Amino acid sequence: EPEVTQTPSHQVTQMGQEVILRCVPISNHLYFYWYRQILGQKVEFLVSFYNNEISEKSEIFDDQFSVERPDGSNFTLKIRSTKLEDSAMYFCASSEAEEGDYGYTFGSGTRLTVV
Amino acid sequence: AQTVTQSQPEMSVQEAETVTLSCTYDTSESNYYLFWYKQPPSRQMILVIRQEAYKQQNATENRFSVNFQKAAKSFSLKISDSQLGDTAMYFCAFKHWGSSGGYQKVTFGIGTKLQVIP
Repeated sequence: EPEVTQTPSHQVTQMGQEVILRCVPISNHLYFYWYRQILGQKVEFLVSFYNNEISEKSEIFDDQFSVERPDGSNFTLKIRSTKLEDSAMYFCASSEAEEGDYGYTFGSGTRLTVV
Repeated sequence: AQTVTQSQPEMSVQEAETVTLSCTYDTSESNYYLFWYKQPPSRQMILVIRQEAYKQQNATENRFSVNFQKAAKSFSLKISDSQLGDTAMYFCAFKHWGSSGGYQKVTFGIGTKLQVIP
């Protein structure tokens, strides 16, 4: 069964450093998303991406965040200057383009720890 | 704005028994999708079941079924013959169906932690 692959599974970074979280969506999917989940809290929408541009973003997704699809297969989330409160599980997801909606396929997540 | 409410923070069920997880939502839209996602200890997010709002028939997926009450804006998940592997966090989720395509965000509830007891 096709999978969304995220790397690394765990990243530890110093406050103020830049991090790049990587995702390889399912190959025939055209819509891509990042969500995050702070420990013990609900999953929160960050950003959606389609046709090489951001479709929608939440208030969490401020100027410190950016997304890119640099080579047609990878989909990255960059946090420019990490803060302690950025510590969370980050999930990448992708979805199909056809009519109807089958929900997302999520990756297994990257646990980001900012120290 | 859509909201999703899960009022049961934790539940437990004996193995092989049936359990129902509650979810209510609020929206002014008429076309939307509802989902239940499972998050086991590995923290992966796994789609369990989905329901289109325009369908009256309740979705079923093996041991998982939903009770969708559109007028009441209720979407509960029933797990029959509970198994130890069902132990997980369960998130109810809502997505508006838009003519613009599949980029609409999903709004999640806060989750219900289900423990299946041997």
